[in-house]
Amino acid sequence: DAKTTQPPSMDCAEGRAANLPCNHSTISGNEYVYWYRQIHSQGPQYIIHGLKNNETNEMASLIITEDRKSSTLILPHATLRDTAVYYCIVRVANTGNQFYFGTGTSLTVIP
Amino acid sequence: DAEITQSPRHKITETGRQVTLACHQTWNHNNMFWYRQDLGHGLRLIHYSYGVQDTNKGEVSDGYSVSRSNTEDLPLTLESAASSQTSVYFCASSESGIGTEAFFGQGTRLTVV
Repeated sequence: DAKTTQPPSMDCAEGRAANLPCNHSTISGNEYVYWYRQIHSQGPQYIIHGLKNNETNEMASLIITEDRKSSTLILPHATLRDTAVYYCIVRVANTGNQFYFGTGTSLTVIP
Repeated sequence: DAEITQSPRHKITETGRQVTLACHQTWNHNNMFWYRQDLGHGLRLIHYSYGVQDTNKGEVSDGYSVSRSNTEDLPLTLESAASSQTSVYFCASSESGIGTEAFFGQGTRLTVV
């Protein structure tokens, strides 16, 4: 079973920041939080991952709360091409390091 | 550039036939995974492998098998295709370790009629 909870859908205006929340209240100390997205029916695309500290790359920023029970993916300037389903995943250490996907958040960027 | 490729991209088969979906990666990754994706279920793990000769069952492994004879390939076999196995199948690979990202193929759309 997925260890994360995400809202099923969100809208964001083009050019604005998109903030996608994720709850992972049962996360263990050595488990990473990963974010992937899936555009239309393509293969999932890696975005970012982190353990404790906030992370930033060319695509997005990942903010993890101090207690690690939740996180937020930030797309700083959303474009129409960012419309996709976004998956927050906790990689489970004690069951073989697998990626267990939930149903994700469907983000729609509105012109 | 290194990549992961799946073939075929689309396949239609008949109930009861054996079907094999191919997955090939050129990153030399030890870990490889097979997922299926259906409406309302997201991606569900079928089988995974940590290296040559290693295979493990995922959450929806019934009716599927895999074999790992080399690092690059993890073919997925449906022993006797059923209509319930109509789905989109994704293969992925990653380096060993928990802090590594997985890279996904573009998927195979399988229809069982």
